[in-house]
Amino acid sequence: AQKVTQAQTEISVVEKEDVTLDCVYETRDTTYYLFWYKQPPSGELVFLIRRNSFDEQNEISGRYSWNFQKSTSSFNFTITASQVVDSAVYFCALSEVNRDDKIIFGKGTRLHILP
Amino acid sequence: GAVVSQHPSWVICKSGTSVKIECRSLDFQATTMFWYRQFPKQSLMLMATSNEGSKATYEQGVEKDKFLINHASLTLSTLTVTSAHPEDSSFYICSARDGRTAAYNEQFFGPGTRLTVL
Repeated sequence: AQKVTQAQTEISVVEKEDVTLDCVYETRDTTYYLFWYKQPPSGELVFLIRRNSFDEQNEISGRYSWNFQKSTSSFNFTITASQVVDSAVYFCALSEVNRDDKIIFGKGTRLHILP
Repeated sequence: GAVVSQHPSWVICKSGTSVKIECRSLDFQATTMFWYRQFPKQSLMLMATSNEGSKATYEQGVEKDKFLINHASLTLSTLTVTSAHPEDSSFYICSARDGRTAAYNEQFFGPGTRLTVL
């Protein structure tokens, strides 16, 4: 069965600190996609990244970076030098090609960046 | 990037009435649309998958007679909450994808519709 676990329900850090959001997934498929989305208070989902199961290369985009490790079924997200605008709920998600590309979301991590 | 719109963005209705939410793909043809529900401070839960021209497939535990989904065209899917009750109050989000390409079928999310049933 497919499952996404975000063990951190809520995190608070002071502005400019680095913060890592954890994501562990379960799947039986060899071909799948992993995602991170940001949901600010407005509610609209903001797509951050998609990774396919064959690409374990880590990625950096500005202050954001992602660490994908198949050996531990983890896809962690790090924000460097956090800013107040980073405050939001962050969802990790999984999509299996053999399941009509349905996206299954983790429970989310609520991130508070304190000024 | 592809744009998905939802209408209305918010709606308040009385208990027992029906509410229709529209999901439109504005600049691409969506062969498949997905409907999600998100209760306050919870995650998005997939309700159903609809393919254009065919009946929707509902996830376990979702009442198909209560949440009517119609995907009559390649750019429009509607979700009708019939005989709405306060427990149906939630944030409803749709996503759409063009499944005709061989490449990975990116899903694009709408901005969501906040339903409050009094």
